[in-house]
Amino acid sequence: DVVMTQSPLSLPVTLGQPASISCRSSQSLMYSDGGAYLEWFQQRPGQSPRRLIYGVSNRDSGVPDRFSGSGSGTDFTLKISTVEAEDAGVYFCIQYTHWPHTFGQGTKLEI
Amino acid sequence: EVQLVESGGGLVQPGGSLRLSCAASGFDFSNHWKNWVRQAPGKGLEWVANMKPDGSEKRYVDSVKGRFTISRDNAKNSLYLQMNSLRAEDTAVYYCAAWGSSVHWGQGTLVTVSS
Repeated sequence: DVVMTQSPLSLPVTLGQPASISCRSSQSLMYSDGGAYLEWFQQRPGQSPRRLIYGVSNRDSGVPDRFSGSGSGTDFTLKISTVEAEDAGVYFCIQYTHWPHTFGQGTKLEI
Repeated sequence: EVQLVESGGGLVQPGGSLRLSCAASGFDFSNHWKNWVRQAPGKGLEWVANMKPDGSEKRYVDSVKGRFTISRDNAKNSLYLQMNSLRAEDTAVYYCAAWGSSVHWGQGTLVTVSS
């Protein structure tokens, strides 16, 4: 199975400051069509996960533009340009290039 | 309002069976990939099974192959997970999730396998 390794697992940040989360895969996530099936989710306490980014770098509808995704191959990053109070929660990456689809361990963003 | 509501969890003895249900509303469930994902206590998320939108393909993680079956009822906008020969290591919160142009998750239902 593809192992997704997130870092850091805990990320204390100050309001208004940037934040960055890394997700590394044990195999390349590049698919035969040239894309990579890598997504980022946010889970606030007591809520279901919400997708922020799909296809490495595409923001879902309604997601603030302070969130951005980048990367290729085995190395991917989620960046928040300026952290707001509502961004507190757990962030995790998912790959579905390979079966079984696998998750990162999650990064707890604390403000 | 978009909703996925799981039900059917509970306490079951090792070797027993349970059937989880997931009722979808507020979006076009039939055109989404349908998934079951679980999270054991203190562990990370694990994909259990998924099904293509048209139901033509079903996949399972190795640890549940031959024991779990994913199925759907489009008329009822529902997804199911039949779980047989349950083991202690199947203890987890089970989430229903739909993937398509949008992604939706339920709140989860707890399955506890214990004597």
